[in-house]
Amino acid sequence: AQTVTQSQPEMSVQEAETVTLSCTYDTSESNYYLFWYKQPPSRQMILVIRQEAYKQQNATENRFSVNFQKAAKSFSLKISDSQLGDTAMYFCAFMKQDDSNYQLIWGAGTKLIIKP
Amino acid sequence: AAGVIQSPRHLIKEKRETATLKCYPIPRHDTVYWYQQGPGQDPQFLISFYEKMQSDKGSIPDRFSAQQFSDYHSELNMSSLELGDSALYFCASSTRGDLSNQPQHFGDGTRLSIL
Repeated sequence: AQTVTQSQPEMSVQEAETVTLSCTYDTSESNYYLFWYKQPPSRQMILVIRQEAYKQQNATENRFSVNFQKAAKSFSLKISDSQLGDTAMYFCAFMKQDDSNYQLIWGAGTKLIIKP
Repeated sequence: AAGVIQSPRHLIKEKRETATLKCYPIPRHDTVYWYQQGPGQDPQFLISFYEKMQSDKGSIPDRFSAQQFSDYHSELNMSSLELGDSALYFCASSTRGDLSNQPQHFGDGTRLSIL
């Protein structure tokens, strides 16, 4: 069974700083997807970034980038030039790639607070 | 762009009552997922449907049932409600056959409060 671990329950940084959220996972699958979702106080679930396991290049979306280490089963999220609107819960999620189902396996989340 | 629509946004019920949550997926999405997120918890997968058939089952209580209709919308039926059912219920949709279209797209959720 797959598991996702986020070891940082809460983090706090000053606005404009860079912050890295950690995520590790356990799987025997070779093909899978990894995601970071953001859940602001409004509690919407918003996709931040995705990574296909077969791609060696780390995904980047504007100020958000990942450090994907497949051998180490690590998938950290880096937020550059953090903004007050980045304050949210961040969930790391795993999805295996097959035909049966695309269920997301979630980490416990990291609460990120951006201070002015 | 059209998103996943969930209704109602908020619902208040008393113990032992029933509730029905509705989900309207993004057009042309054939798969619907239901998640339950308790206060301070990560989302827990309940159940999913593909082409109107149940495709996977997670931690859905026996008191709950769900189905997907011919227009691909889905309903989550909850009976004998308990205080512990108070949570945010997310619906997500995707197209199974198109891996490049993953991940699942989430609705804004239905906040269910049991008094």
